Amino acid sequence: NAGVTQTPKFQVLKTGQSMTLQCAQDMNHNSMYWYRQDPGMGLRLIYYSASEGTTDKGEVPNGYNVSRLNKREFSLRLESAAPSQTSVYFCASSQTSQNIQYFGAGTRLSVL
Amino acid sequence: QKEVEQDPGPLSVPEGAIVSLNCTYSNSAFQYFMWYRQYSRKGPELLMYTYSSGNKEDGRFTAQVDKSSKYISLFIRDSQPSDSATYLCAMKEIGISGYALNFGKGTSLLVTP
Repeated sequence: NAGVTQTPKFQVLKTGQSMTLQCAQDMNHNSMYWYRQDPGMGLRLIYYSASEGTTDKGEVPNGYNVSRLNKREFSLRLESAAPSQTSVYFCASSQTSQNIQYFGAGTRLSVL
Repeated sequence: QKEVEQDPGPLSVPEGAIVSLNCTYSNSAFQYFMWYRQYSRKGPELLMYTYSSGNKEDGRFTAQVDKSSKYISLFIRDSQPSDSATYLCAMKEIGISGYALNFGKGTSLLVTP
C-alpha cells in the first residue's frame, strides 16, 4: 500500500533552473495538496486541488505552478528556482477537501 | 500572530514518563483538530483526530480539546524511545473554507532510555 508517492526524494538545483516535483496517490482521493516545510516556519500550503480539474492558491504560491494531471497525479513546478525555495516539499491527499490529509515522504530541495 | 501556536521544545523526558504536548489557537471557527507525528526525514503521519471539544483515547495516546480556552493537548502515557519525534498539531474549519490545515510549528520530543 504505497499511499502518496513523491519523486524525486532529493534534488539540488542552481539558481534559475527549473524542475517539476511529482506526486501520485493510489487511494482514489479527490483532493491533493502541496506544502513546504521550513525550520521555524512549520508546514505552509503552496497550492491545492480540491478535485480533478481544479487548482487554487494556498498561503505561499509565488514562484510555483501546479498541474492536476489526472485524479492520481498532482505536480509542482518551479520555473526559475531561487535560494529561498530551498525547503522540504510534501504532497498530501484526502478523500475530499473536508477529510483527513495523508502525506508523502517529501522531496528535499536545495537551490544553490 | 500566527493562528496556531506550539512550543517547539525540545522536550526531553525519561522512558515511562507521561508527556504533555500543547497548542493554542486564535480562530474560533476551527472545528477539527489533529495531531501528526513526524520522524526525522519522514512525512507527517496522522496520530489522532478529534472533532470539537472533548477527549479521545487511542492506546497510550489521549487527545484533549478545550474550545472555550482555544487549547488542545496530546498526552502520551508510558512514553517509549520510539515516541521520539516531532509532534505537529493541526486544525481546520468545516465548510467551504475548510480545505486548509493550519499547522503549529511542531514540538520536538526526545524520550531517553
